[in-house]
Amino acid sequence: AQKVTQAQTEISVVEKEDVTLDCVYETRDTTYYLFWYKQPPSGELVFLIRRNSFDEQNEISGRYSWNFQKSTSSFNFTITASQVVDSAVYFCALIQNAGGTSYGKLTFGQGTILTVHP
Amino acid sequence: KAGVTQTPRYLIKTRGQQVTLSCSPISGHRSVSWYQQTPGQGLQFLFEYFSETQRNKGNFPGRFSGRQFSNSRSEMNVSTLELGDSALYLCASQGLAGAQYEQFFGPGTRLTVL
Repeated sequence: AQKVTQAQTEISVVEKEDVTLDCVYETRDTTYYLFWYKQPPSGELVFLIRRNSFDEQNEISGRYSWNFQKSTSSFNFTITASQVVDSAVYFCALIQNAGGTSYGKLTFGQGTILTVHP
Repeated sequence: KAGVTQTPRYLIKTRGQQVTLSCSPISGHRSVSWYQQTPGQGLQFLFEYFSETQRNKGNFPGRFSGRQFSNSRSEMNVSTLELGDSALYLCASQGLAGAQYEQFFGPGTRLTVL
């Protein structure tokens, strides 16, 4: 069975601070996929990034960056120079390879509530 | 392209009633998944449909059911509602058939059971 843990329930920062959201996962599969989603107050989950288990290259997209380390089963997300609009709940999720019991079945962490104060 | 749409957005029901929620995926997407989000249990997978067939199901009682139509629109039904069914129900669509691709979510239907 797979599991995703986001140990930080809530984080509060002041605008322009950098913030890192932690994500630790468990899976017995050697092939799996990791995701980050953002959920603003409107409720809709917004896709941010997908990473497969064979690609440990870090990724940067504007103020967002992701650090994937298989050795520690972590897939952390950093927002540089945070802004008030970054305030949301952020979810890390995992899906195992192949079909069958994997189809559609994202396993989510509990989420981290990020509040960015002006 | 229009995003995933869900109707209704809000719903209030009483215990024992049944409810049907609707989801229209992004045009061209054939996979639709449903999730339940509650403060206590977080986001939990309900089921997934592809080309009118249920391919996967989560650990929910048989009161929760779904279906998908030939135009890929999906409905989920909850019968004999319980207070614990109060939740945000999210639908997601996926453009490619493999399990590994990103899902795109709708705004959800907030169900309140009194």
